[in-house]
Amino acid sequence: GQQVMQIPQYQHVQEGEDFTTYCNSSTTLSNIQWYKQRPGGHPVFLIQLVKSGEVKKQKRLTFQFGEAKKNSSLHITATQTTDVGTYFCAGGPGGSYIPTFGRGTSLIVHP
Amino acid sequence: DGGITQSPKYLFRKEGQNVTLSCEQNLNHDAMYWYRQDPGQGLRLIYYSQIVNDFQKGDIAEGYSVSREKKESFPLTVTSAQKNPTAFYLCASSLERGRGDTEAFFGQGTRLTVV
Repeated sequence: GQQVMQIPQYQHVQEGEDFTTYCNSSTTLSNIQWYKQRPGGHPVFLIQLVKSGEVKKQKRLTFQFGEAKKNSSLHITATQTTDVGTYFCAGGPGGSYIPTFGRGTSLIVHP
Repeated sequence: DGGITQSPKYLFRKEGQNVTLSCEQNLNHDAMYWYRQDPGQGLRLIYYSQIVNDFQKGDIAEGYSVSREKKESFPLTVTSAQKNPTAFYLCASSLERGRGDTEAFFGQGTRLTVV
């Protein structure tokens, strides 16, 4: 079945450093979604990418969808302590859509 | 307020007992999902339902059962057959539009501990 791999599993950064997490799928995706889960919380939707090569920005966050629609990345510029949490990508094939989640990348920001 | 509600937030049960986790949404969403989250494992799909009175097994359905008698409700029963039930359980819903526009809304989760 479809697999969505996410790396790295953990990332420690100093506040102000940049952070990137990568998501790779074994199959072509219809779209990719990104979620953030704060410690002790539940996943919250951040963004959805649909088009090949699409790039979207939300303040310090930049999301990319690969040309082949098999990979995606989330880049955070100048991390802050409020960025702490686990970032998940979720993707699925077209048609009846059941999101398959990656294992997530836990971001730890040291002040 | 529209949203998705899970109850209870914490649940303790003795080994061998069945337990039912509640999930209710007032978002008028067609699709509902149950995920299990273990440390380092991400979110694994247990069951999902795209319409009332219909549901499908996910990747780890063994030892679990669900029902979807109403659009708003999708309870999950963790049976005694589930070998390792202690985990964080997340319910989610999404609006199935058939275009891939399916942002998932999550409940607050239920942390189940079996002793």
